[in-house]
Amino acid sequence: SQKIEQNSEALNIQEGKTATLTCNYTNYSPAYLQWYRQDPGRGPVFLLLIRENEKEKRKERLKVTFDTTLKQSLFHITASQPADSATYLCALMKTSYDKVIFGPGTSLSVIP
Amino acid sequence: DTEVTQTPKHLVMGMTNKKSLKCEQHMGHRAMYWYKQKAKKPPELMFVYSYEKLSINESVPSRFSPECPNSSLLNLHLHALQPEDSALYLCASSQEGGQLGVQYFGPGTRLLVL
Repeated sequence: SQKIEQNSEALNIQEGKTATLTCNYTNYSPAYLQWYRQDPGRGPVFLLLIRENEKEKRKERLKVTFDTTLKQSLFHITASQPADSATYLCALMKTSYDKVIFGPGTSLSVIP
Repeated sequence: DTEVTQTPKHLVMGMTNKKSLKCEQHMGHRAMYWYKQKAKKPPELMFVYSYEKLSINESVPSRFSPECPNSSLLNLHLHALQPEDSALYLCASSQEGGQLGVQYFGPGTRLLVL
């Protein structure tokens, strides 16, 4: 059955450094991969989407890569700030009409 | 307006109670979703409505009953819940087939079943 894994459960980094979060999947061939941010007790918020034929996508301090050969996406936050502390979820879809399948999430803490 | 609203924010109910969760969006989205989220777990899909018709039911127990009165509203009726149903219930909407499935989530209803 399909499986999605993300980094470790928790990641701590120093303010100003680049945070790199990993999303790996097996038994699945997504056409689209999304990243969401979720703060405690709140709903997830969409950040970025990348298609299977795109290698990289950027938005301000965020960068996402998608390697369909490795079945992996990397999510980078450059110049991290304490306000970036949250849980980050990757989400996969086979088609634009398909349901979204969420990974387990990585809890990021940026230490001042 | 890019907001999905949910009421109530918090709900405590006994196992014999009947209650309803409400969700509203005014983005013109034609797909609406209910998710259940337990602590430190990802959102778990329960139901999908597409053009006001139920299109996906992820084998959810019948004590959860969804309803979509119109394209802007989504309800989740609760009856005879169990303590293990305590969770954050999230509503989301998306543009059907468009925006590549990007989902807009509400803030959630924190449900506690005693």
